[in-house]
Amino acid sequence: DVKVTQSSRYLVKRTGEKVFLECVQDMDHENMFWYRQDPGLGLRLIYFSYDVKMKEKGDIPEGYSVSREKKERFSLILESASTNQTSMYLCASSFSGWGLITTGELFFGEGSRLTVL
Amino acid sequence: AQSVTQLGSHVSVSEGALVLLRCNYSSSVPPYLFWYVQYPNQGLQLLLKYTSAATLVKGINGFEAEFKKSETSFHLTKPSAHMSDAAEYFCAVTLLGGGYQKVTFGTGTKLQVIP
Repeated sequence: DVKVTQSSRYLVKRTGEKVFLECVQDMDHENMFWYRQDPGLGLRLIYFSYDVKMKEKGDIPEGYSVSREKKERFSLILESASTNQTSMYLCASSFSGWGLITTGELFFGEGSRLTVL
Repeated sequence: AQSVTQLGSHVSVSEGALVLLRCNYSSSVPPYLFWYVQYPNQGLQLLLKYTSAATLVKGINGFEAEFKKSETSFHLTKPSAHMSDAAEYFCAVTLLGGGYQKVTFGTGTKLQVIP
């Protein structure tokens, strides 16, 4: 069965702390994504990666960075957490296709709920 | 550019009643359309998808959606609501090309099922 695993379901951090959110997928997918989910705003794309060491900014990259050193792992980093980064963070992956048939279906982890005090 | 509009952030139906969740999209090229469902404290999972084959798409748990190009709509329906359908539903439009994937989500509709 397809699996996307996020390392922490719930985190509580203090303002100014560095925060790492880890995501691992076991489907050999090329694409990986980090979304932020807030009530009334839906899912907003923070960063995505279509290959190892490649990354692209999404719609709201400010205050975040990412790392993809291995194909299966995509990390989201908050260099200095702030209270407005309190949110649910969702990782997703997908098969890129590269000329083959792909529908772009996203596979999601269960989410990491971050509270910044 | 692409966008997705979900009408109604909250929808309430009685158990056994018809479920209708609305989604309209805009896209400069033919899109792939998706409905995802999110149960409380979980990630999203695929409910169904339209990929330019049949315009009426059947998904899991008795849901279906019809792609109407003339109306730029992809509304989600279920003939008879069940208590277990209470969740948040997201419509998404995806553009694909050369390994590139651009996904845009709607803001979601929370479905409440009243016993």
